[in-house]
Amino acid sequence: DGGITQSPKYLFRKEGQNVTLSCEQNLNHDAMYWYRQDPGQGLRLIYYSQIVNDFQKGDIAEGYSVSREKKESFPLTVTSAQKNPTAFYLCASTNREDEAFFGQGTRLTVV
Amino acid sequence: AQTVTQSQPEMSVQEAETVTLSCTYDTSESDYYLFWYKQPPSRQMILVIRQEAYKQQNATENRFSVNFQKAAKSFSLKISDSQLGDAAMYFCAYYRYTGNQFYFGTGTSLTVIP
Repeated sequence: DGGITQSPKYLFRKEGQNVTLSCEQNLNHDAMYWYRQDPGQGLRLIYYSQIVNDFQKGDIAEGYSVSREKKESFPLTVTSAQKNPTAFYLCASTNREDEAFFGQGTRLTVV
Repeated sequence: AQTVTQSQPEMSVQEAETVTLSCTYDTSESDYYLFWYKQPPSRQMILVIRQEAYKQQNATENRFSVNFQKAAKSFSLKISDSQLGDAAMYFCAYYRYTGNQFYFGTGTSLTVIP
C-alpha cells in the first residue's frame, strides 16, 4: 500500500546527541514537510522540500537539518543545538491537489 | 503572515447530535485552500474535508460539511449525526500557493458523549 512511513515510533536522545528521524514515502509526491507538534501549539513547520536536492527552512528550523537526496526520502536530524527537542514530529507529503498525507509520527524524548 | 485561529480548545457533543467547530484565518491572498484534519488518539492525521477558496459552494463529505465565508475569513466544520469514532483533535489548515506552505491552527479537542 502507498503511504508515508516514519521511523522509529519512539526515540530517546541523550543531552548533546544528534539523532535522525526517518521519513519515507512511496506516493511519488514531490513535496515533503517536517512538522513539530507540541501541546496547545498545533503543528509548526520545521523544513520543507519541493523537489529533490532542494529544501527551505520553515518557521522553527534552528537546531534542525534535513536532506533530500532521493524523492522518496526526507530525513530530519535533530542536532544538539536544538535546546528543547522533546516533541512529537510529523512528516507529510502533498499530492498534485495539494492535499497533505501524514506519517504516523515519531515521539522524541530527551533523557 | 498567515495565521489560523481555532478559538475552541475543547468541545463536546452528544452522540447523534450536531456540532460545529470554528476556524478563522488571516490572509491577503485571493486564492488558497482550506482543510480540516482529524487526529485521533493514534495521532495519525487524517484529511476530513477541503475547500478551494475560488469555489463559492461549501464542501461536503458525508456527515462533514463546511461553512466557508470568504469575506469574513471564516471556515467552520459541521459534524452531523456525531459518532463515537469522531472523537479526536481537529485541526484547521490554510494552504498558500506561494511557497506551498500549510498553516495550522492550534486544534479543537472533540469529545463525543455516548
